[in-house]
Amino acid sequence: QVELYQGGALVLQHSETLSLTCALLGGSFSGQQWSWIRQPPGQGLEWIAEINHSGFTNENPSLKGRLTISIDTSKHQFSLKLTSVTAADTAVYYCARQFCSTTSCFFYMDVWGQGTTVTVSS
Amino acid sequence: QSVLSQPPSVSGAPGQRVTISCTGGSSNTGAGYDVHWYQQFPGRVPKLLIYGNNNRPSGVPDRFSGSKSGTSASLAITGLQAEDEAEYYCQSYDTNLSGYVVFGGGTKLTVL
Repeated sequence: QVELYQGGALVLQHSETLSLTCALLGGSFSGQQWSWIRQPPGQGLEWIAEINHSGFTNENPSLKGRLTISIDTSKHQFSLKLTSVTAADTAVYYCARQFCSTTSCFFYMDVWGQGTTVTVSS
Repeated sequence: QSVLSQPPSVSGAPGQRVTISCTGGSSNTGAGYDVHWYQQFPGRVPKLLIYGNNNRPSGVPDRFSGSKSGTSASLAITGLQAEDEAEYYCQSYDTNLSGYVVFGGGTKLTVL
């Protein structure tokens, strides 16, 4: 059974860099896509970026230039870095699997991490 | 402003049928991309409810169903139960720029 594990809550200062890691428990990175999604307090879901096992990435245009997403298949984890954070980046950050079959990749998230609360103080 | 538009709230009495709409445009749902739905309870992780417009993952009751036509999609819940009270999000893919995943703004379902 595939599970995704994220670290505990973080508090950052304005302009610092957010670093998050998501660990894969059970299953394989191979053939799947891996995403980051965030949810500001009281608001909806926002897709941040995706990466596959080969390291190919795609990012939300609104966050491009501040994002680095990477994968380490040997450690069974993938990571997100977001630079120059502001209060607007305060959110619960989720990692998730974007499902791929043996022949095609789809754009829905079927396995989610438990979420990490990130607070940016000014 | 979300790329996919959902009503902020819907409500219904126990046992009733409710629908939640999700409207996109020519670069996402109208371009043929599937719509997926998630259910989220307060303080909890979103859960995949419907994928590929009208498919239910294992364990999702058949009271939940999805449909899509053109640029719009709908989530229908029949036999409404108090435990269905939650936030519901639609999601698709948009081909603008380099292409990216898009969500609706969410709909709060209240069971009266």
